[in-house]
Amino acid sequence: ELKVEQNPLFLSMQEGKNYTIYCNYSTTSDRLYWYRQDPGKSLESLFVLLSNGAVKQEGRLMASLDTKARLSTLHITAAVHDLSATYFCAVLKTSYDKVIFGPGTSLSVIP
Amino acid sequence: DSGVTQTPKHLITATGQRVTLRCSPRSGDLSVYWYQQSLDQGLQFLIQYYNGEERAKGNILERFSAQQFPDLHSELNLSSLELGDSALYFCASSVGKPYLTQLKQETQYFGPGTRLLVL
Repeated sequence: ELKVEQNPLFLSMQEGKNYTIYCNYSTTSDRLYWYRQDPGKSLESLFVLLSNGAVKQEGRLMASLDTKARLSTLHITAAVHDLSATYFCAVLKTSYDKVIFGPGTSLSVIP
Repeated sequence: DSGVTQTPKHLITATGQRVTLRCSPRSGDLSVYWYQQSLDQGLQFLIQYYNGEERAKGNILERFSAQQFPDLHSELNLSSLELGDSALYFCASSVGKPYLTQLKQETQYFGPGTRLLVL
């Protein structure tokens, strides 16, 4: 059974600091996705990662994928208040035809 | 604004009833996805269509069904509603055929969601 875990589930950090959110999954995957959800809002796609060692960056966010460790990270650099949101990772397993989401990491950036 | 529209925004109904949620994808997008978000279950993938054909099925209950029409809009039908069906239902669209396209074509654009409350 494909399971996706994230940690931490809650993160409070000061502006200007760096931090990393971890996404672990239980079986081999075909895609790894990161999404952002602002409170009371819809989802926004951030990154799609396919291959081992893939790294993608957008602004202060950088996502990486280690398929051997079944681990993806979302690194936040010099956090700003606008990054406060819930971040979800999701794993696609094409042989199961399923996308499984992690529980989400609620990030609060404090001025 | 993602370009994906969903109607209605809010829906309140009673147990045992049937409702239809509608999604219009971005212009040019052929793939539509449906998701459910609830406090109990978190985010769950329900079903996916590409150009009118069902492409993948996730945790969609038998009481639920969906279709994508020739004009590419999609409807999610929820019947025999139960209290536990109360949730946010999102649809998303993307350009290409799932899994077999350039990754950029897999980027999903989400609608604002329909909030369903079953009383």
